[in-house]
Amino acid sequence: QVHLQESGPGLVTPSGTLSLTCAVSGFSISSGYWWSWVRQPPGKGLEWIGEIFRGGAANYNPSLKSRVTISVDTSTNHFSLTLFSVTAADTAVYYCARERWDLQQSIDYWGLGTLVTVSS
Amino acid sequence: EIVLTQSPGTLSLSPGERATLSCRASQSVSSSQLAWYQQKPGQAPRLLIYGASTRATGTPDRFSGSGSGTDFTLTITRLEPEDFVVYYCQQYGGSPLWTFGQGTKVEIK
Repeated sequence: QVHLQESGPGLVTPSGTLSLTCAVSGFSISSGYWWSWVRQPPGKGLEWIGEIFRGGAANYNPSLKSRVTISVDTSTNHFSLTLFSVTAADTAVYYCARERWDLQQSIDYWGLGTLVTVSS
Repeated sequence: EIVLTQSPGTLSLSPGERATLSCRASQSVSSSQLAWYQQKPGQAPRLLIYGASTRATGTPDRFSGSGSGTDFTLTITRLEPEDFVVYYCQQYGGSPLWTFGQGTKVEIK
């Protein structure tokens, strides 16, 4: 069974940096598929942040591209999200997830999500 | 950018009734790379349908998807109590690569 678990600070100060890590178990990131970050502001819809492949190739949402970096560590089976210069608008539940190109580009496994609040 | 517009925003129905949820794309979605997710309160989304019409593993057969191009539909033939939650459509392609609709909430009438 594939399991994803987000971890990181639940509170970030405005203009600071948000850093989250996703630990993957039950499947090796090195085996393939892209891995993504999706966020959901409280009471709102889903927004794709970006994705990464095992070799480090990444794609980002243009609306966030200037502030986002996603990285991967295949040796520990983790991937990470860094979001710079955060504001209150970045307050959201952040999910890590596995993308499936072989399921017509859908997401089959999600982490439980972690709430990150941007506030002083 | 491909924008997905879901309608209605809220659907009020009774258990046992049929639900029809719409997802309209601003441009044609390539190769039917359109998926539907169900999200219960406090939980992550769950994949229901991919490729516009293929049920994901574990999806009950009362859920079905249809459509192509710019118009897609999720149908729930007989609503069960656990179905009264929020549903999102998602497409792949264009910029950004992945976009989601704003969601349809199915509530008990």
